[in-house]
Amino acid sequence: ETVLTQSPATLSLSPGERATLSCRASQDVNIYLAWYQQKPGQAPRLLIYDASNRAAGIPARFSGSGSGTDFTLTISSLEPEDFAVYYCQQRKNWPPITFGQGTRLEIK
Amino acid sequence: EVQLVESGGGLGQPGGSLRLSCAASGFTFSDYGMNWVRQAPGKGLEWLSYISGSGSLKLDADSVKARFTISRDNAKNSLYLQMNSLRGDDTAIYYCARGDVGTNQIFHYWGQGTLVTVSS
Repeated sequence: ETVLTQSPATLSLSPGERATLSCRASQDVNIYLAWYQQKPGQAPRLLIYDASNRAAGIPARFSGSGSGTDFTLTISSLEPEDFAVYYCQQRKNWPPITFGQGTRLEIK
Repeated sequence: EVQLVESGGGLGQPGGSLRLSCAASGFTFSDYGMNWVRQAPGKGLEWLSYISGSGSLKLDADSVKARFTISRDNAKNSLYLQMNSLRGDDTAIYYCARGDVGTNQIFHYWGQGTLVTVSS
């Protein structure tokens, strides 16, 4: 099973700042990594797929990069609505499809 | 507009059974593989099962293999999860999720979820 480890567990930043979230895979997942955003009481929302492709309707301030085992989600300038939990997910080595444990992005 | 609406959650007894449903609309249901994903209270996301558009291929996580069964009825545009031998750690919100053509394992669309609580 491919284990995804996200860091940091919690990130405290202010609106307007740049956020950098990390996801490391226990084995090579090529580019087959996605990022999701989840707000309290809501289903997850797809942000990025295949490492760097923004999903439909996702603002340009969200970007993804990486390949192999190391990936990054960057939010260039935080908006108030961006404070949420973020999960990475791999689909290269499945079953099972696996998710990271999440990074909580909180307002400083 | 793609819509996925789960139902069937509620209180289940340890060792008992529940059947979850996911009603799909806004797309040709049989063209897409479907998935179940769950989230225990305050925890992360866990993929459970996948079924192909025709229903001929099913894949499960080890944590639910032999206890949970995914199925679908394309005539009714519905996805199901039969949950047997329920345990306390099955308590979670259960989501159905759909990918896109050729990328069934990228979850572009999610339902709102249905809460299952396993307790005596």
